Amino acid sequence: NAGVTQTPKFRVLKTGQSMTLLCAQDMNHEYMYWYRQDPGMGLRLIHYSVGEGTTAKGEVPDGYNVSRLKKQNFLLGLESAAPSQTSVYFCASSTQGIARNTEAFFGQGTRLTVV
Amino acid sequence: AQKVTQAQTEISVVEKEDVTLDCVYETRDTTYYLFWYKQPPSGELVFLIRRNSFDEQNEISGRYSWNFQKSTSSFNFTITASQVVDSAVYFCALSEAGQGAQKLVFGQGTRLTINP
Repeated sequence: NAGVTQTPKFRVLKTGQSMTLLCAQDMNHEYMYWYRQDPGMGLRLIHYSVGEGTTAKGEVPDGYNVSRLKKQNFLLGLESAAPSQTSVYFCASSTQGIARNTEAFFGQGTRLTVV
Repeated sequence: AQKVTQAQTEISVVEKEDVTLDCVYETRDTTYYLFWYKQPPSGELVFLIRRNSFDEQNEISGRYSWNFQKSTSSFNFTITASQVVDSAVYFCALSEAGQGAQKLVFGQGTRLTINP
């Protein structure tokens, strides 16, 4: 049981380069999320998806784009990386309906450094 | 707007001591959900507990206990007889009830160090 898998685990980018982070979940969850974690600030929601083909902005969406072409995958793109996007990125997924007694499952994280 | 405050940035105690991590939240919703996650040095996020706003019953799980008080908007976490393996960053988080998605608002985290 893989759960939530993020690819890659580490990446170093030069300013202005682009890249895509891949998140895959095998739990058939409807909802998927991308967070970033910065020192002293906890995790902040970038974008999320409530189902295949849908995306929505979170708290800090600027500079990022996302796509959910398949239910099991949620891609996070950086079109022109900036040093301010140096962070640890976490993907998460959750089953339908928060009223159910469930929790979000997180991936292992991707450490991105923009130089 | 929702907000979670963990005022304790770092806590250091000696093994076997009891330690309480504070969490204060703000929300206008009457229905909401509170969570605690553990982030060990390896970096992953480990789910510890979920509490619904309509359930103020405190919970105990082994050496872990949680005190939820709506009157003070607090959801504190206590570790009894702490162990070195409890060393980690602990996050408190809040989610509103709308749309079914678990859009979590995290606190800043408390780094807990248990010294042998």
